[in-house]
Amino acid sequence: DVKVTQSSRYLVKRTGEKVFLECVQDMDHENMFWYRQDPGLGLRLIYFSYDVKMKEKGDIPEGYSVSREKKERFSLILESASTNQTSMYLCASSLPGLAGADTQYFGPGTRLTVL
Amino acid sequence: RKEVEQDPGPFNVPEGATVAFNCTYSNSASQSFFWYRQDCRKEPKLLMSVYSSGNEDGRFTAQLNRASQYISLLIRDSKLSDSATYLCVVNPEYSSASKIIFGSGTRLSIRP
Repeated sequence: DVKVTQSSRYLVKRTGEKVFLECVQDMDHENMFWYRQDPGLGLRLIYFSYDVKMKEKGDIPEGYSVSREKKERFSLILESASTNQTSMYLCASSLPGLAGADTQYFGPGTRLTVL
Repeated sequence: RKEVEQDPGPFNVPEGATVAFNCTYSNSASQSFFWYRQDCRKEPKLLMSVYSSGNEDGRFTAQLNRASQYISLLIRDSKLSDSATYLCVVNPEYSSASKIIFGSGTRLSIRP
């Protein structure tokens, strides 16, 4: 059974703080994703990584960066948190290529509040 | 126009009823389609893929209409446990997982 874990379920930070969200998957998946989910807007892709040290910007990368030093771990970094980054953050992983287009496995999410 | 649109609901139906909802997509070249289910405060999980010929999985039937650019999900004999948000997912590029587009979801509530 695929397992994707995220470091925190709930996080409260102050404006201007640097925030790290960690995601780990145990299925040796090449693809990893960071999304944010907001009411009425659905899931929006922030960053995507298709291999170690490889990354690709998604639809809303501004204000975020990512790191993938190991295949199983994908980190999302908010360099200077702002209140408009208050959201649910979901990490996902999938197989590469055509198989990866079919199924994404999600972590439980991190609800981040920036005060 | 949004690339993937869903009626947000909520759909509030009695247990045992049949309920259906649609999802429209704007890119006529879209290649693959899925329904995900998301329970309250939980992560999305794949419910079923949608094939051109339509497909069924127990009480759930998914259909694709390429001419009108929509997919549908039909739930028969609904159960209380079907209460969730159903996300329509479209992949406009068959080989690229990063292009997947999620709809904002349709909320379904089944009442006893």
